[in-house]
Amino acid sequence: DAKTTQPTSMDCAEGRAANLPCNHSTISGNEYVYWYRQIHSQGPQYIIHGLKNNETNEMASLIITEDRKSSTLILPHATLRDTAVYYCIVSGAGTASKLTFGTGTRLQVTL
Amino acid sequence: GAVVSQHPSWVICKSGTSVKIECRSLDFQATTMFWYRQFPKQSLMLMATSNEGSKATYEQGVEKDKFLINHASLTLSTLTVTSAHPEDSSFYICSASPPLVQSPLHFGNGTRLTVT
Repeated sequence: DAKTTQPTSMDCAEGRAANLPCNHSTISGNEYVYWYRQIHSQGPQYIIHGLKNNETNEMASLIITEDRKSSTLILPHATLRDTAVYYCIVSGAGTASKLTFGTGTRLQVTL
Repeated sequence: GAVVSQHPSWVICKSGTSVKIECRSLDFQATTMFWYRQFPKQSLMLMATSNEGSKATYEQGVEKDKFLINHASLTLSTLTVTSAHPEDSSFYICSASPPLVQSPLHFGNGTRLTVT
């Protein structure tokens, strides 16, 4: 699986958009970009994933560059409950595709 | 959405005893489940891939005789930590995905194991 690079930490004011970047320059053509987050002492929570088109769901938007070498997760209106470690993971699709976690970005949402 | 349940959520055991952790897919069948371990302030590390009806595949450095995995049905995988020691104290997390090609993995809420 391709390796990803994320900033160690970020801050965001409550109510503002949180934009979390991820570099995955070695991504291959059949690999998806997945985003998960982990709130302290809980299992990771799935947020969104995409292949090459931008995606949006009720939690977030995922913007993938045309060359697919990087992506940005956007939380449009961050709240205190969005404080967590956010993981960007590149992996193949399918039920047998394991996910390899990096160190992620610790997002701190403040008042 | 897909729900993965783990039990127990936390357990304390004495050194030398064994502990079993259950992982269930509540609303879908999972031929493959994954077991992760997370130490404090670290990321999740994949321990093994659990395959229904066959032997688990362990990651390098994970002792298969110490961490016994059984995936006897399409909705249940168990991880047994045998002869537990204090260094086995960790957060154990399982995951599974519904049988659709693009379905993402969903994770249980983890089991906090403390070995005294």
